[in-house]
Amino acid sequence: AQSVSQHNHHVILSEAASLELGCNYSYGGTVNLFWYVQYPGQHLQLLLKYFSGDPLVKGIKGFEAEFIKSKFSFNLRKPSVQWSDTAEYFCAVTVGYSSASKIIFGSGTRLSIRP
Amino acid sequence: DAGVIQSPRHEVTEMGQEVTLRCKPISGHDYLFWYRQTMMRGLELLIYFNNNVPIDDSGMPEDRFSAKMPNASFSTLKIQPSEPRDSAVYFCASSFQGGESPLHFGNGTRLTVT
Repeated sequence: AQSVSQHNHHVILSEAASLELGCNYSYGGTVNLFWYVQYPGQHLQLLLKYFSGDPLVKGIKGFEAEFIKSKFSFNLRKPSVQWSDTAEYFCAVTVGYSSASKIIFGSGTRLSIRP
Repeated sequence: DAGVIQSPRHEVTEMGQEVTLRCKPISGHDYLFWYRQTMMRGLELLIYFNNNVPIDDSGMPEDRFSAKMPNASFSTLKIQPSEPRDSAVYFCASSFQGGESPLHFGNGTRLTVT
């Protein structure tokens, strides 16, 4: 069965530290990849997405992610985090096509930034 | 656009009662998803619709859960009878063209079953 793995459940960093959150998926076909962010008490919002083309995608607020097809990975990065980046981050993968497509979320990584 | 609208924002009910959660997707979106979020299980896909037709309900935990989408602008998720383990935040999300587009989430309904 298709799945999305986020190995880091809780990451604690100091401000200005660099961030990398891991995401791996298990599906051999064509995928669309997403990172969503959920700030405390809010709903999920799109951070960035990859459909095709340049495997390094840039999103909002200085985030970027790199799709490495051979590793089935789509890791999220930010060179210097801020306190306001405290949130939960979800990796998501779409498998299938058209009306059969299905979006699968990872379990999420909680990011805590120390001021 | 007002975004995806869910109601109620909070629901507290007693075990055994029927609970109905409501969702209005973004106009023009043809996919609607219901998710449940808990600390233990994260974000789980319960069911999704395409053009008002249920496509995959394999995530619906039990027969106590049912979902309908009578038209393009309204969907309900019903739990009957409710149990304490159903306590969670339920999110509705919609998108245009399914997996090729990002999801737009509502603010969620926080359900507490006592």
